[in-house]
Amino acid sequence: GENVEQHPSTLSVQEGDSAVIKCTYSDSASNYFPWYKQELGKRPQLIIDIRSNVGEKKDQRIAVTLNKTAKHFSLHITETQPEDSAVYFCAAGEGFQKLVFGTGTRLLVSP
Amino acid sequence: GAGVSQSPSNKVTEKGKDVELRCDPISGHTALYWYRQSLGQGLEFLIYFQGNSAPDKSGLPSDRFSAERTGGSVSTLTIQRTQQEDSAVYLCASNKRTATDTQYFGPGTRLTVL
Repeated sequence: GENVEQHPSTLSVQEGDSAVIKCTYSDSASNYFPWYKQELGKRPQLIIDIRSNVGEKKDQRIAVTLNKTAKHFSLHITETQPEDSAVYFCAAGEGFQKLVFGTGTRLLVSP
Repeated sequence: GAGVSQSPSNKVTEKGKDVELRCDPISGHTALYWYRQSLGQGLEFLIYFQGNSAPDKSGLPSDRFSAERTGGSVSTLTIQRTQQEDSAVYLCASNKRTATDTQYFGPGTRLTVL
């Protein structure tokens, strides 16, 4: 079955810096790669996703890149703000197989 | 429309008691997941229901844990003979059909075992 690894487990940046979180997956059949943000005490919510037919997707300060050959994908947050502080989860899946989540990255943005 | 709902929002129980946690997925969603999240930890997969297929129970930590999904809609997670290490937030999520559809999470049930 699918296995997703996520790094780093914690990431501290200064406000305005960029943050990058990386994930690798094992199943070459996976074709969908979402990213979820979980604020303290809240439920995880989808912030961006990418499908295997594209290599990059952007939404304002957030971007995701996918390298299918290497089986890894990354979340990039530019011009970080304190409200970006949260736990971020990557995931991978395809079809009727279950979506598999990474172990999470705790991002702390200091003012 | 209505999102994923869970009840109760909080449950305090004594060690050894049984508990039932309920999840109402978004109407029409065929896929339903249960996760456990201990304080400050990640999402621990418990069980996955997909339509009428046999559920993927590979994440259930022991035989004290079981789950049902009746009529392809509401799901109940049952923990028998609760232990203190069962204390966590139990999250339910659903998506429309396949893994490529957005997964929506419920607010969770915070379980405390005394």
